[in-house]
Amino acid sequence: EPEVTQTPSHQVTQMGQEVILRCVPISNHLYFYWYRQILGQKVEFLVSFYNNEISEKSEIFDDQFSVERPDGSNFTLKIRSTKLEDSAMYFCASSAVNEQFFGPGTRLTVL
Amino acid sequence: DQQVKQNSPSLSVQEGRISILNCDYTNSMFDYFLWYKKYPAEGPTFLISISSIKDKNEDGRFTVFLNKSAKHLSLHIVPSQPGDSAVYFCAAKGFGNEKLTFGTGTRLTIIP
Repeated sequence: EPEVTQTPSHQVTQMGQEVILRCVPISNHLYFYWYRQILGQKVEFLVSFYNNEISEKSEIFDDQFSVERPDGSNFTLKIRSTKLEDSAMYFCASSAVNEQFFGPGTRLTVL
Repeated sequence: DQQVKQNSPSLSVQEGRISILNCDYTNSMFDYFLWYKKYPAEGPTFLISISSIKDKNEDGRFTVFLNKSAKHLSLHIVPSQPGDSAVYFCAAKGFGNEKLTFGTGTRLTIIP
């Protein structure tokens, strides 16, 4: 069964450093998403991406964040200058229509 | 932002019995609802969904009921199995929107 994959599974970084989280969505899906879950809190929407551009973003998704689909298979989330409060699980998802399928997540720890 | 609420943080059910997980929403623009199951250190796994034009959708042991007038949905699992022990999230999206708004989750424990 096709699935969304994410790398790395765990990323540790120093505050102020840039990180890139990577995702390979399900191959015939056209919509891509990033969500995050801070420990003990809800899963929160960050951004959606369709037809090579951002289609929707939350207030969390400020200028420190960017997304890119550099080739036909990868979808990336870049955080330019990480802050302590960026520590969270980051989930990539993809969908064909309404049902979004999630990857296993990347745990980002900012020290 | 409490647009989607799951008021029971935890639920324990005997194996073989019915598990009923509840979810309430406040945003009348939501028109599609989904249930996800999540194990620790894994991503949410899609279980079942329902459009606002329906009041019930069934898939094997899982049934979702939607009461639009009450802005309430529920997930029924029958019979409950030990492998069903996980955190269950309901999520909602509005027409023309792509983002999912998640509830806080209910931890379901199936007692053998």
